Amino acid sequence: AQKITQTQPGMFVQEKEAVTLDCTYDTSDPSYGLFWYKQPSSGEMIFLIYQGSYDQQNATEGRYSLNFQKARKSANLVISASQLGDSAMYFCAMREDDDSWGKLQFGAGTQVVVTP
Amino acid sequence: ETGVTQTPRHLVMGMTNKKSLKCEQHLGHNAMYWYKQSAKKPLELMFVYSLEERVENNSVPSRFSPECPNSSHLFLHLHTLQPEDSALYLCASSAHSGPSTDTQYFGPGTRLTVL
Repeated sequence: AQKITQTQPGMFVQEKEAVTLDCTYDTSDPSYGLFWYKQPSSGEMIFLIYQGSYDQQNATEGRYSLNFQKARKSANLVISASQLGDSAMYFCAMREDDDSWGKLQFGAGTQVVVTP
Repeated sequence: ETGVTQTPRHLVMGMTNKKSLKCEQHLGHNAMYWYKQSAKKPLELMFVYSLEERVENNSVPSRFSPECPNSSHLFLHLHTLQPEDSALYLCASSAHSGPSTDTQYFGPGTRLTVL
């Protein structure tokens, strides 16, 4: 069963606007980590931000913030002040502590296109 | 960011060829991973190495053979591949293989085409 769901296959956003990318997850493990990665057309998977299941505060990293709603099993990524260089595929991923070899489980991704 | 490097970046091979993908990490990590990214499919984990020992083979066909000679280097040996093996192969590393807090850092990938 798919553990990470990203329901938005693609989004257009204007430069300087904020955009929210949705991610919901499914786990019975009380201890897990949530990650967002950016993949430009070049292919490299770039780590953006991490949220631990026990973290009380939402993670922030520069223009990236994570809206973590644990009860809803939701971990949406917010990109503020979008730039043209933000155009890429964005993946939500989860790693469960129950998984002893640390598999990252990825969603299908959301393609973001930033327009001038 | 050149923490994880992969060579070659692009590879075209016939079904009878033998080739190898190389990954090197400069982050002092103990765990390394191979992932496969096919078109329109989520990333799939192929292999995990922790301290140079393979800890998981995620039901990958034997035509893919990994090798981890030390904690900084990881290879994926390819032989008698099929066209459906064409994909982007991504290498990643993390401090350890277990904890959910450990971030995996990826290389730029090798885009493989099997003719």
